[in-house]
Amino acid sequence: EDQVTQSPEALRLQEGESSSLNCSYTVSGLRGLFWYRQDPGKGPEFLFTLYSAGEEKEKERLKATLTKKESFLHITAPKPEDSATYLCAVQDSGNTPLVFGKGTRLSVIA
Amino acid sequence: DTAVSQTPKYLVTQMGNDKSIKCEQNLGHDTMYWYKQDSKKFLKIMFSYNNKELIINETVPNRFSPKSPDKAHLNLHINSLELGDSAVYFCASSQLGGYTFGSGTRLTVV
Repeated sequence: EDQVTQSPEALRLQEGESSSLNCSYTVSGLRGLFWYRQDPGKGPEFLFTLYSAGEEKEKERLKATLTKKESFLHITAPKPEDSATYLCAVQDSGNTPLVFGKGTRLSVIA
Repeated sequence: DTAVSQTPKYLVTQMGNDKSIKCEQNLGHDTMYWYKQDSKKFLKIMFSYNNKELIINETVPNRFSPKSPDKAHLNLHINSLELGDSAVYFCASSQLGGYTFGSGTRLTVV
């Protein structure tokens, strides 16, 4: 059974204080690892898809990396508008629906 | 233009009632899903439809019945609502691995 574990559960940063969120996964053949951002009262918003170990993707202050066991979402010099819940999900090679972790709730304080 | 739209956004109802949630996507995607997000923000797959056919039905009470009249629509009907059904329900669609989520329906059973 596919499993996704995210840590920490919650993270509070000062504006400009860089950090990383972790996503550990167990899957029988990875088709893709996904990062989403979710704001209160809204649906998850797509950020990145990573397909193979060693792959990296960047978007503004966010950078996602992937190894065979985990993915990191690095946030560089965060701003208050980066405050949200960040969700990690995996899809296995059987093309089954995304399996999500419980998310990391990020708060960036000005 | 909203890519994946759900109605209603909020639904408050009494125990024992029957209710429906509607979902429509204008992306031309072949696959649609229903996810349930509990009070701890954990997103869990309920159903998956591909081209109007049920592909996946996770361990969900048979009080929940999805219906897909065409490729662009996936509705969720819930019979005999219980307190534990209170959650946010998200519709999503996908094509070639990219998922787009609706903004959710917050169901409160009183």
